[in-house]
Amino acid sequence: GQNIDQPTEMTATEGAIVQINCTYQTSGFNGLFWYQQHAGEAPTFLSYNVLDGLEEKGRFSSFLSRSKGYSYLLLKELQMKDSASYLCAVLDSNYQLIWGAGTKLIIKP
Amino acid sequence: EAQVTQNPRYLITVTGKKLTVTCSQNMNHEYMSWYRQDPGLGLRQIYYSMNVEVTDKGDVPEGYKVSRKEKRNFPLILESPSPNQTSLYFCASSQEGPSSYEQYFGPGTRLTVT
Repeated sequence: GQNIDQPTEMTATEGAIVQINCTYQTSGFNGLFWYQQHAGEAPTFLSYNVLDGLEEKGRFSSFLSRSKGYSYLLLKELQMKDSASYLCAVLDSNYQLIWGAGTKLIIKP
Repeated sequence: EAQVTQNPRYLITVTGKKLTVTCSQNMNHEYMSWYRQDPGLGLRQIYYSMNVEVTDKGDVPEGYKVSRKEKRNFPLILESPSPNQTSLYFCASSQEGPSSYEQYFGPGTRLTVT
């Protein structure tokens, strides 16, 4: 079966750095997405990786290793507004999105 | 403003009473889909549509119907709702399907079936 694994919950301190990991086992791979979802709101797009390596976008970076079936989202200079769930999703060989359950990130002052 | 709208945002209903959740997008997107989100589970796709009059089942289509008569609208129909359909529902759209980078999500519809 297809599977996306992410930690259920993480806690970090305002101003610090946090890394949210995602491992996947899917039938094929056509890209990996990260979305941010604040409580009670819709998911919003953060990043897309299809090649190995690091993609940086402001305070957020996303890394992909296809050989290891692994990605991480790195958040720097954490702000209270970064408290949210972070969803990892993989596009499989049929171009269907497989979603992880999400990682709830709690930021403490 | 580019957006996906859903109505209603909140709905409490009883088992067996037919309901429709509307979804509309103003970005001229080809691809639209419906998801449900339940605690501890990832988003699960119910149905999707690559274009007008073209719809396909997602991972959890049982108990749901959709139609795509116009490009902008993609309503979700529950003919006979049951309590296990209590969930948070999201409509999403993108230009050419999930491979076109990002999907735009509606604000969500929280459905409770008693």
